[in-house]
Amino acid sequence: AQTVTQSQPEMSVQEAETVTLSCTYDTSENNYYLFWYKQPPSRQMILVIRQEAYKQQNATENRFSVNFQKAAKSFSLKISDSQLGDTAMYFCAFSSTQGGSEKLVFGKGTKLTVNP
Amino acid sequence: EAQVTQNPRYLITVTGKKLTVTCSQNMNHEYMSWYRQDPGLGLRQIYYSMNVEVTDKGDVPEGYKVSRKEKRNFPLILESPSPNQTSLYFCASSLRQTGGPSPLHFGNGTRLTVT
Repeated sequence: AQTVTQSQPEMSVQEAETVTLSCTYDTSENNYYLFWYKQPPSRQMILVIRQEAYKQQNATENRFSVNFQKAAKSFSLKISDSQLGDTAMYFCAFSSTQGGSEKLVFGKGTKLTVNP
Repeated sequence: EAQVTQNPRYLITVTGKKLTVTCSQNMNHEYMSWYRQDPGLGLRQIYYSMNVEVTDKGDVPEGYKVSRKEKRNFPLILESPSPNQTSLYFCASSLRQTGGPSPLHFGNGTRLTVT
């Protein structure tokens, strides 16, 4: 069974600085997908970024980028120029379509606080 | 507007009183799923559905039921709620497509308290 581990329950960063959130996963599959979701205090789950395992190039979305190390099974999220609105819970998630369920397996989350 | 709508947003009930949390999506998605979120545990899948009349258990199905009679609706039923089902519940949907999963669209969550 796949597992996703986020080793940092809480982190903080100063506004405008850069922060990296860690995520490791365990799987025996070769093709899969990785996601970072953001959950602000409003509770809404918002997709931040997505990475396909067969793509070597790291995904980037504006100030958000990932460092995907397939051999190490690592998928960290870098937030550049942090903003107060980035304060949220961040969840790393894994998905494959083996069995066709499109199931997401989530990590336990990292609570990020951006300080003014 | 494309969305997943859950109701109610907040629900307080007593042990043993049957309840239903509704979920509806307007994107014609085949795949729908329920998750529960608990502090320190992340989100865990309860049930999922690949299409109408096709449902299956996730990781934590005990104490829950679902049905998928129409493509747009996927209600979560707690026949006899217990305090350990106090949690934040999310419904989610996505397209089924070749080439890998499309991103899940989440509802706004239902905060359930069972006393």
